[in-house]
Amino acid sequence: EAGVTQFPSHSVIEKGQTVTLRCDPISGHDNLYWYRRVMGKEIKFLLHFVKESKQDESGMPNNRFLAERTGGTYSTLKVQPAELEDSGVYFCASSFRTGYNSPLHFGNGTRLTVT
Amino acid sequence: GQQVMQIPQYQHVQEGEDFTTYCNSSTTLSNIQWYKQRPGGHPVFLIQLVKSGEVKKQKRLTFQFGEAKKNSSLHITATQTTDVGTYFCAGPLSLYGGSQGNLIFGKGTKLSVKP
Repeated sequence: EAGVTQFPSHSVIEKGQTVTLRCDPISGHDNLYWYRRVMGKEIKFLLHFVKESKQDESGMPNNRFLAERTGGTYSTLKVQPAELEDSGVYFCASSFRTGYNSPLHFGNGTRLTVT
Repeated sequence: GQQVMQIPQYQHVQEGEDFTTYCNSSTTLSNIQWYKQRPGGHPVFLIQLVKSGEVKKQKRLTFQFGEAKKNSSLHITATQTTDVGTYFCAGPLSLYGGSQGNLIFGKGTKLSVKP
């Protein structure tokens, strides 16, 4: 099966610009997560979709971040306007179900650099 | 807030030496997961521990979950160059009683192996 795919793999933008990251989960996985790892720090949860619904967005840093998952398939994460502290690697992950014995399958991530 | 701490942050070993990374949670966990991220890659699920005092083995890797379900360890016997990467432990946010995939990650232990 194809894994979780993310696009782009790298993005370099200037402060104040907008960037949209895309994630295609594994087919059939209703659960989709966004995580972020800022340089040298831990991987932090941003939000969780179940199909097209936001189950939990408590990790979203502020209202400059907008995540969508229209139709319950792929998801986008938009940062507008980007700030320097938004730099990091944004990982998308999916799982078949929540709970035990349903590990997260991560994509390769999008490395975002805001200059 | 809930925290997962991991030590050491870095470990450099000679090939053939053993390696251990330790994970400590500020709260009791319903389960703990371990992930490995190769350089330039993404986190890949290794294992999940659920029971108090549980010990699981995967070839040269031994995973333990503490009796109080607040700490865990990963031990690698006779490291090889293929073991290089960052090892993360992760536990579910206690708010959800461990039933969700919203994980809190440790900062990871970066392992380098000198041939």
